[in-house]
Amino acid sequence: AQKITQTQPGMFVQEKEAVTLDCTYDTSDQSYGLFWYKQPSSGEMIFLIYQGSYDEQNATEGRYSLNFQKARKSANLVISASQLGDSAMYFCAMRFGGGSQGNLIFGKGTKLSVKP
Amino acid sequence: ETGVTQTPRHLVMGMTNKKSLKCEQHLGHNAMYWYKQSAKKPLELMFVYNFKEQTENNSVPSRFSPECPNSSHLFLHLHTLQPEDSALYLCASSQEAGDRGVRTPLDSSEAFFGQGTRLTVV
Repeated sequence: AQKITQTQPGMFVQEKEAVTLDCTYDTSDQSYGLFWYKQPSSGEMIFLIYQGSYDEQNATEGRYSLNFQKARKSANLVISASQLGDSAMYFCAMRFGGGSQGNLIFGKGTKLSVKP
Repeated sequence: ETGVTQTPRHLVMGMTNKKSLKCEQHLGHNAMYWYKQSAKKPLELMFVYNFKEQTENNSVPSRFSPECPNSSHLFLHLHTLQPEDSALYLCASSQEAGDRGVRTPLDSSEAFFGQGTRLTVV
């Protein structure tokens, strides 16, 4: 069965510094999509970035970039120049094939705290 | 404003009550979802509706009953819940490519979420 693992329950980063949030996955599929979402204390999940398994270049969206290492099955999120507003829960999610084709499966999340 | 609105934001109900959660999306999407988020657990997909038709029911107990009257509205009817059902219930929508109900793993269409309903069962 497919599985998403986020090993960091909580992370601290100094404002204006970069931080990497880890995500590894387990699948035998070749086709899959990788997503990162941010969940502030208000509750809604906010889409940040997407990468397809066949994309050769790492995805970037503003201060967010996805460090995709397919052979290692990792999809780490890098946030550059952290801001206080980045404090939130961050979830790695994936779309797999098979019985739940097209649906998102989420990791347990990492709580990021940005210190002033 | 995410385009997905959930009401109520907070709900406290007894185990014998009947209540409903409402979700409305203003994005013109063709798929809607209910997720359950419990403390220290991954987000769990409960139900999926594609073009108003339920396409997934991930072994959810019958005390949760979804309803999708049109592509913009999704309800979750609750009855005789248990305290362990207390959680944040998130609604989401997305625009799925391809034929009705057929999605591929490489579909990049992200899901848009509401702010959730914080449910407490006492």
